[in-house]
Amino acid sequence: DAGVIQSPRHEVTEMGQEVTLRCKPISGHNSLFWYRQTMMRGLELLIYFNNNVPIDDSGMPEDRFSAKMPNASFSTLKIQPSEPRDSAVYFCASSFSGGRYEQYFGPGTRLTVT
Amino acid sequence: GENVEQHPSTLSVQEGDSAVIKCTYSDSASNYFPWYKQELGKRPQLIIDIRSNVGEKKDQRIAVTLNKTAKHFSLHITETQPEDSAVYFCAASPAAGNKLTFGGGTRVLVKP
Repeated sequence: DAGVIQSPRHEVTEMGQEVTLRCKPISGHNSLFWYRQTMMRGLELLIYFNNNVPIDDSGMPEDRFSAKMPNASFSTLKIQPSEPRDSAVYFCASSFSGGRYEQYFGPGTRLTVT
Repeated sequence: GENVEQHPSTLSVQEGDSAVIKCTYSDSASNYFPWYKQELGKRPQLIIDIRSNVGEKKDQRIAVTLNKTAKHFSLHITETQPEDSAVYFCAASPAAGNKLTFGGGTRVLVKP
Protein backbone atom coordinates (compact mmCIF):
# COMPACT_ATOMS: atom_id res chain seq x y z
CA ASP A 1 0.00 0.00 0.00
CA ALA A 2 1.35 3.43 -0.94
CA GLY A 3 -0.04 5.09 2.16
CA VAL A 4 -1.68 8.50 2.14
CA ILE A 5 -0.49 10.57 -0.80
CA GLN A 6 -0.38 14.36 -0.78
CA SER A 7 0.53 16.85 -3.44
CA PRO A 8 2.28 19.13 -3.84
CA ARG A 9 4.92 18.50 -1.17
CA HIS A 10 5.97 22.13 -1.20
CA GLU A 11 4.09 25.19 -2.34
CA VAL A 12 5.31 28.77 -2.40
CA THR A 13 2.80 31.38 -3.44
CA GLU A 14 2.15 35.07 -3.15
CA MET A 15 -0.47 36.58 -0.93
CA GLY A 16 -3.84 36.72 -2.62
CA GLN A 17 -3.30 33.67 -4.80
CA GLU A 18 -5.44 30.57 -4.69
CA VAL A 19 -3.85 27.43 -3.28
CA THR A 20 -5.15 23.89 -3.74
CA LEU A 21 -3.79 20.99 -1.74
CA ARG A 22 -4.59 17.42 -2.73
CA CYS A 23 -4.90 14.16 -0.86
CA LYS A 24 -5.43 10.52 -1.77
CA PRO A 25 -6.33 8.40 1.26
CA ILE A 26 -5.31 4.80 1.82
CA SER A 27 -7.47 2.48 -0.24
CA GLY A 28 -10.35 1.13 1.83
CA HIS A 29 -10.26 3.93 4.39
CA ASN A 30 -13.53 5.82 4.71
CA SER A 31 -12.53 8.71 6.98
CA LEU A 32 -10.28 11.55 5.90
CA PHE A 33 -8.84 14.36 7.99
CA TRP A 34 -7.12 17.63 7.18
CA TYR A 35 -4.73 19.02 9.81
CA ARG A 36 -2.59 22.14 9.96
CA GLN A 37 0.65 22.25 11.93
CA THR A 38 2.44 25.39 13.08
CA MET A 39 4.90 26.07 15.85
CA MET A 40 2.47 28.38 17.57
CA ARG A 41 -0.70 26.32 17.37
CA GLY A 42 0.57 22.77 17.09
CA LEU A 43 -1.51 20.18 15.25
CA GLU A 44 -5.03 21.42 14.56
CA LEU A 45 -7.85 19.49 12.95
CA LEU A 46 -9.40 21.61 10.21
CA ILE A 47 -12.10 19.32 8.86
CA TYR A 48 -12.90 15.65 8.55
CA PHE A 49 -15.01 13.54 6.24
CA ASN A 50 -16.70 10.21 6.78
CA ASN A 51 -17.83 8.34 3.66
CA ASN A 52 -17.11 11.50 1.62
CA VAL A 53 -19.44 13.62 3.76
CA PRO A 54 -18.03 16.51 5.84
CA ILE A 55 -18.72 15.72 9.48
CA ASP A 56 -16.97 18.47 11.41
CA ASP A 57 -15.55 21.64 9.88
CA SER A 58 -15.40 23.62 13.10
CA GLY A 59 -11.62 23.87 12.79
CA MET A 60 -11.69 25.65 9.44
CA PRO A 61 -10.28 29.05 10.31
CA GLU A 62 -12.45 31.19 8.04
CA ASP A 63 -14.37 31.32 4.80
CA ARG A 64 -11.17 31.51 2.80
CA PHE A 65 -10.73 27.81 3.50
CA SER A 66 -12.84 25.15 1.82
CA ALA A 67 -12.54 21.39 1.45
CA LYS A 68 -14.17 18.84 -0.78
CA MET A 69 -14.20 15.09 -1.12
CA PRO A 70 -15.85 14.24 -4.44
CA ASN A 71 -15.12 10.53 -4.11
CA ALA A 72 -13.56 8.00 -1.76
CA SER A 73 -10.08 8.38 -3.22
CA PHE A 74 -9.60 12.13 -3.48
CA SER A 75 -9.92 15.27 -1.40
CA THR A 76 -8.87 18.88 -1.82
CA LEU A 77 -8.25 21.73 0.59
CA LYS A 78 -8.45 25.14 -1.02
CA ILE A 79 -7.37 28.52 0.32
CA GLN A 80 -8.61 31.55 -1.56
CA PRO A 81 -7.22 34.15 -1.17
CA SER A 82 -4.10 33.00 0.65
CA GLU A 83 -2.43 35.10 3.36
CA PRO A 84 1.04 34.91 4.96
CA ARG A 85 -0.49 33.59 8.20
CA ASP A 86 -1.66 30.52 6.29
CA SER A 87 1.96 29.40 6.03
CA ALA A 88 2.13 26.00 7.71
CA VAL A 89 2.45 22.29 7.04
CA TYR A 90 -0.87 20.77 6.03
CA PHE A 91 -1.33 17.08 6.69
CA CYS A 92 -3.97 14.76 5.38
CA ALA A 93 -4.73 11.57 7.32
CA SER A 94 -7.07 8.67 6.76
CA SER A 95 -8.58 5.86 8.79
CA PHE A 96 -11.19 3.16 8.65
CA SER A 97 -14.05 4.00 10.97
CA GLY A 98 -15.52 0.51 11.11
CA GLY A 99 -14.43 -0.15 14.69
CA ARG A 100 -10.76 0.73 14.25
CA TYR A 101 -9.48 4.21 14.94
CA GLU A 102 -5.87 4.31 13.75
CA GLN A 103 -5.14 7.39 11.66
CA TYR A 104 -2.30 7.35 9.18
CA PHE A 105 -0.77 10.60 8.04
CA GLY A 106 0.43 11.66 4.64
CA PRO A 107 3.84 13.32 4.16
CA GLY A 108 2.33 16.80 4.36
CA THR A 109 2.40 19.90 2.17
CA ARG A 110 4.63 22.73 3.32
CA LEU A 111 2.89 25.95 2.30
CA THR A 112 4.69 29.27 2.27
CA VAL A 113 2.71 32.40 1.47
CA THR A 114 4.85 35.47 0.84
CA GLY B 1 -15.18 19.93 23.08
CA GLU B 2 -12.24 17.80 24.08
CA ASN B 3 -9.10 19.43 25.51
CA VAL B 4 -5.81 17.54 25.82
CA GLU B 5 -2.95 18.86 27.92
CA GLN B 6 0.53 17.39 27.55
CA HIS B 7 3.58 17.72 29.83
CA PRO B 8 6.43 18.37 29.75
CA SER B 9 6.90 20.41 26.59
CA THR B 10 10.58 19.44 26.45
CA LEU B 11 12.43 16.52 27.97
CA SER B 12 16.13 15.81 27.94
CA VAL B 13 17.40 12.41 29.07
CA GLN B 14 20.65 10.49 29.01
CA GLU B 15 20.84 7.53 26.71
CA GLY B 16 19.68 4.45 28.57
CA ASP B 17 17.45 6.35 30.99
CA SER B 18 13.65 6.30 30.92
CA ALA B 19 11.37 9.04 29.61
CA VAL B 20 7.82 9.67 30.75
CA ILE B 21 5.29 11.96 29.07
CA LYS B 22 1.92 12.69 30.66
CA CYS B 23 -1.38 13.80 29.17
CA THR B 24 -4.74 14.72 30.61
CA TYR B 25 -8.04 14.96 28.77
CA SER B 26 -11.34 16.58 29.58
CA ASP B 27 -14.05 14.59 27.80
CA SER B 28 -15.06 11.49 29.75
CA ALA B 29 -16.53 10.09 26.52
CA SER B 30 -13.07 9.69 24.98
CA ASN B 31 -12.13 6.05 24.64
CA TYR B 32 -9.16 5.92 22.26
CA PHE B 33 -5.71 7.34 23.07
CA PRO B 34 -2.95 7.13 20.46
CA TRP B 35 0.62 8.36 20.66
CA TYR B 36 2.47 9.72 17.64
CA LYS B 37 6.17 10.29 17.07
CA GLN B 38 7.24 13.03 14.69
CA GLU B 39 10.83 13.37 13.55
CA LEU B 40 12.05 16.66 12.15
CA GLY B 41 10.48 17.37 8.78
CA LYS B 42 8.51 14.13 8.77
CA ARG B 43 4.90 13.11 9.26
CA PRO B 44 3.48 12.04 12.65
CA GLN B 45 3.67 8.27 12.94
CA LEU B 46 1.55 6.14 15.23
CA ILE B 47 3.74 4.30 17.71
CA ILE B 48 1.26 2.89 20.21
CA ASP B 49 -2.37 3.31 21.20
CA ILE B 50 -4.67 2.24 23.99
CA ARG B 51 -8.41 1.87 24.30
CA SER B 52 -10.46 2.59 27.38
CA ASN B 53 -11.08 -1.05 28.22
CA VAL B 54 -7.36 -1.57 28.89
CA GLY B 55 -5.23 -0.02 31.63
CA GLU B 56 -1.81 -0.68 30.19
CA LYS B 57 -0.24 -1.71 26.91
CA LYS B 58 3.37 -2.48 26.13
CA ASP B 59 5.35 -2.82 22.91
CA GLN B 60 9.05 -3.52 23.38
CA ARG B 61 10.57 -0.40 24.97
CA ILE B 62 7.41 1.68 24.96
CA ALA B 63 4.36 1.39 27.17
CA VAL B 64 1.23 3.40 27.72
CA THR B 65 -0.90 3.54 30.85
CA LEU B 66 -4.43 4.89 31.16
CA ASN B 67 -6.34 6.04 34.22
CA LYS B 68 -9.91 6.74 33.10
CA THR B 69 -11.04 7.85 36.54
CA ALA B 70 -8.43 10.56 36.68
CA LYS B 71 -8.60 11.15 32.91
CA HIS B 72 -4.92 10.90 32.30
CA PHE B 73 -2.61 8.68 30.30
CA SER B 74 1.14 8.41 30.00
CA LEU B 75 3.84 7.23 27.61
CA HIS B 76 6.87 5.46 29.02
CA ILE B 77 10.03 4.88 26.99
CA THR B 78 12.65 2.68 28.64
CA GLU B 79 16.32 2.30 27.73
CA THR B 80 16.18 5.41 25.56
CA GLN B 81 18.34 5.58 22.46
CA PRO B 82 19.40 8.57 20.33
CA GLU B 83 16.88 7.56 17.64
CA ASP B 84 14.10 8.13 20.18
CA SER B 85 14.80 11.87 19.86
CA ALA B 86 11.68 13.41 18.30
CA VAL B 87 8.48 15.23 19.16
CA TYR B 88 5.83 13.02 20.71
CA PHE B 89 2.12 13.82 20.60
CA CYS B 90 -0.68 12.31 22.62
CA ALA B 91 -4.27 12.45 21.39
CA ALA B 92 -7.77 11.50 22.45
CA SER B 93 -10.81 10.46 20.48
CA PRO B 94 -14.49 10.37 21.47
CA ALA B 95 -16.61 7.25 21.57
CA ALA B 96 -18.57 8.43 18.54
CA GLY B 97 -16.50 8.88 15.42
CA ASN B 98 -12.74 9.07 15.30
CA LYS B 99 -11.90 12.77 15.47
CA LEU B 100 -8.56 13.18 17.29
CA THR B 101 -7.67 16.06 19.59
CA PHE B 102 -3.90 16.39 20.01
CA GLY B 103 -1.85 17.54 22.93
CA GLY B 104 0.75 20.26 22.41
CA GLY B 105 3.66 17.85 21.94
CA THR B 106 6.81 16.97 23.88
CA ARG B 107 10.22 17.45 22.35
CA VAL B 108 12.41 14.60 23.59
CA LEU B 109 16.18 14.81 23.31
CA VAL B 110 18.23 11.72 24.12
CA LYS B 111 21.83 12.64 24.82
CA PRO B 112 24.44 10.01 23.98
